[in-house]
Amino acid sequence: DAGVIQSPRHEVTEMGQEVTLRCKPISGHNSLFWYRQTMMRGLELLIYFNNNVPIDDSGMPEDRFSAKMPNASFSTLKIQPSEPRDSAVYFCASRAGGGPDTQYFGPGTRLTVL
Amino acid sequence: EDQVTQSPEALRLQEGESSSLNCSYTVSGLRGLFWYRQDPGKGPEFLFTLYSAGEEKEKERLKATLTKKESFLHITAPKPEDSATYLCAVQVRNDYKLSFGAGTTVTVRA
Repeated sequence: DAGVIQSPRHEVTEMGQEVTLRCKPISGHNSLFWYRQTMMRGLELLIYFNNNVPIDDSGMPEDRFSAKMPNASFSTLKIQPSEPRDSAVYFCASRAGGGPDTQYFGPGTRLTVL
Repeated sequence: EDQVTQSPEALRLQEGESSSLNCSYTVSGLRGLFWYRQDPGKGPEFLFTLYSAGEEKEKERLKATLTKKESFLHITAPKPEDSATYLCAVQVRNDYKLSFGAGTTVTVRA
């Protein structure tokens, strides 16, 4: 039974480059969340999708960040251009609709921007 | 504004030494309180959901309890494999968001 899948697991890039993080939610889940985790700020919600539609992107820090969910089994988080302060661990989580509110997290992508 | 505060920040235990972690919250209308475990380099792993004051949930050496203002995660006779960061999160009514605390890092020495 596959959980949430994220790729890549690690990404090292240089300032100014475009970064794309990918997520495959648990099959049958209709809500998807992108989070960022840092030592200073803990876990922060970036954006929430329900049935592939972005519902709340108020946590996206700047216009450099964008997220899409073209179908129920795939989402991307893009940073363009990347900056050193974007270095963090990015998590994707999914939740089943119409039932318990539990969010299930993926393994995360550790992003380092040099 | 919803607030979630976890204490202590870090807890060092000897194997077999039982202890408790605290999660205090200030929210307007609690829908649920969630406990997660996070190992280094991994994503948070779901442990428990508590919905109402007085509710208790157990899993192996872990027991979570809930009051109107706080939740406790009791670790009974911990083992080294219980070493992890434990995160608490709250969800308010009519909202989808989880507000996370900063976590308690537990280290259990053999």
